[in-house]
Amino acid sequence: GQSLEQPSEVTAVEGAIVQINCTYQTSGFYGLSWYQQHDGGAPTFLSYNALDGLEETGRFSSFLSRSDSYGYLLLQELQMKDSASYFCAVKRVQGGKLIFGQGTELSVKP
Amino acid sequence: GAGVSQSPSNKVTEKGKDVELRCDPISGHTALYWYRQSLGQGLEFLIYFQGNSAPDKSGLPSDRFSAERTGGSVSTLTIQRTQQEDSAVYLCASSPGQMNTEAFFGQGTRLTVV
Repeated sequence: GQSLEQPSEVTAVEGAIVQINCTYQTSGFYGLSWYQQHDGGAPTFLSYNALDGLEETGRFSSFLSRSDSYGYLLLQELQMKDSASYFCAVKRVQGGKLIFGQGTELSVKP
Repeated sequence: GAGVSQSPSNKVTEKGKDVELRCDPISGHTALYWYRQSLGQGLEFLIYFQGNSAPDKSGLPSDRFSAERTGGSVSTLTIQRTQQEDSAVYLCASSPGQMNTEAFFGQGTRLTVV
């Protein structure tokens, strides 16, 4: 089958750094994506790793290691507005289905 | 419009009734997805349309669920004989093409079956 595993929740303080891990059991996918969803809102795209390594976009970075079937989202200089759910996702080459993990609820405390 | 539009935003229906949920994707996007999200849960894949290819229906939970996409644009998700367990937010997303991994989501339809 195909599945993505993430921690269900993470808590951190304002200004800190937090890493949200994603391990997956799937093959033949285009890359690993990350989405953010605030309470009551729609998921929005954050980042995409097509190749192994680190991609940086402002305060957010994302990492992929295909050999380890592992990726993570790194959030730096945390702000209260970063409190949200974060989902990793993969898009399968065969068929093109976009599959999401169960999501990690991040709570940023003052 | 500029983004993915879903209607209605909220729907309350009686158990046993049929409902239709509509999705207008971003113009030119060939890929369209439907997901279901229960409160505090993840995104459950329902169905995927890509261009003129046969849709991937592998996520539909029962034969009460069906979806179509007319003219490669607007999509309708139909739930027949609704049950209370169908209550959830139904999200639609579109993407420029099969290889593109960035999906743009609508605001969803909150379905409540009473």
